[in-house]
Amino acid sequence: GDSVTQMEGPVTLSEEAFLTINCTYTATGYPSLFWYVQYPGEGLQLLLKATKADDKGSNKGFEATYRKETTSFHLEKGSVQVSDSAVYFCALSANQGGKLIFGQGTELSVKP
Amino acid sequence: GAVVSQHPSRVICKSGTSVKIECRSLDFQATTMFWYRQFPKQSLMLMATSNEGSKATYEQGVEKDKFLINHASLTLSTLTVTSAHPEDSSFYICSPVAGGSYEQYFGPGTRLTVT
Repeated sequence: GDSVTQMEGPVTLSEEAFLTINCTYTATGYPSLFWYVQYPGEGLQLLLKATKADDKGSNKGFEATYRKETTSFHLEKGSVQVSDSAVYFCALSANQGGKLIFGQGTELSVKP
Repeated sequence: GAVVSQHPSRVICKSGTSVKIECRSLDFQATTMFWYRQFPKQSLMLMATSNEGSKATYEQGVEKDKFLINHASLTLSTLTVTSAHPEDSSFYICSPVAGGSYEQYFGPGTRLTVT
């Protein structure tokens, strides 16, 4: 079945460091790919998404490119802030409005 | 952005009792509702999918008689954990899908602790 694998956390960075969180997927067909963020004590929020190969999703300085050839959707940010500390989930959906399959989540901690 | 509420946000109950969790989409109509469960330090696992006015479809390993889902209207769905046990302690999250746009949103979650 479809699955998502994320790099294990926790990831600890200093403020203004470069961030990469790896995400790879296994799916039949052409899924849509998502990154969600969960701040402490809050629900999940959509961070960015891409619906087809080579699409780049971006939001709040975060970017991820849908790479079909490597089945990856790595999350990057050039300069992290303390306020970016959260848990990040990579997810896929086989069809629009369909159920999401989540990776295990990666906790990011940014120190001042 | 779309507003989704869950009530209660936290609940502590005794083993053997039942707990009802409400999920409301406050500014859109949800034709489909997903219910997820999240254990500490783990990912979200889909429990069931419901469409308004229809019976829910449960994922493998999820007991439909234990986790009762009602999706009676386009703005309200409920999850009832019946005869709760300590192993049911978890974070339950609803995720309504807006009809037409297929945008999927998430509630803030309900922390259930069974003692």
